Amino acid sequence: NAGVTQTPKFQVLKTGQSMTLQCAQDMNHEYMSWYRQDPGMGLRLIHYSVGAGITDQGEVPNGYNVSRSTTEDFPLRLLSAAPSQTSVYFCASSYGGTNSPLHFGNGTRLTVT
Amino acid sequence: GENVEQHPSTLSVQEGDSAVIKCTYSDSASNYFPWYKQELGKRPQLIIDIRSNVGEKKDQRIAVTLNKTAKHFSLHITETQPEDSAVYFCARGAAGNKLTFGGGTRVLVKP
Repeated sequence: NAGVTQTPKFQVLKTGQSMTLQCAQDMNHEYMSWYRQDPGMGLRLIHYSVGAGITDQGEVPNGYNVSRSTTEDFPLRLLSAAPSQTSVYFCASSYGGTNSPLHFGNGTRLTVT
Repeated sequence: GENVEQHPSTLSVQEGDSAVIKCTYSDSASNYFPWYKQELGKRPQLIIDIRSNVGEKKDQRIAVTLNKTAKHFSLHITETQPEDSAVYFCARGAAGNKLTFGGGTRVLVKP
């Protein structure tokens, strides 16, 4: 199993550009989520999905969209990039249900200039 | 709300000594408390977790304790080694699988 795969690893955007961060998992996990990590602020939940066709907002959803058309994929879209979105983004998945461990991808480091 | 407070933010210990990190939460519905270790430039990885029906759990040199009445839980690392140097995050979860993370503790083990 490859686990949780994120692409790209690094990305630089100009303010106002849009892009999609890709996330795929091959563990047949029902639950997938996106977090952003900023210095001193831990990991903050952006959006999450409990299964294909279902998505919901986390703690910091503004400026981001997600979709879950398949169990395997959970892309994160930045609609109009802003410098405040400079961060490291982690996708994570779990087999679902309450209290199941999260498996993280290797992260995408995004810089918005 | 769902906030998790984590202390200290940095912790420096001598090799062989113990390290303790404490987290507090406010949501009484919290019932799952994992701890993640993140090495520099790497992804967070689960090292131990505890559920609300258990007060303590051990795995070799690491242990977690939970006090549901006081709404706090702690990570204990004994006989610290240089490879324990990393950032550690606590988290809490309730229904579903939304985890709320603490701000992290940077642990430095000095040889």
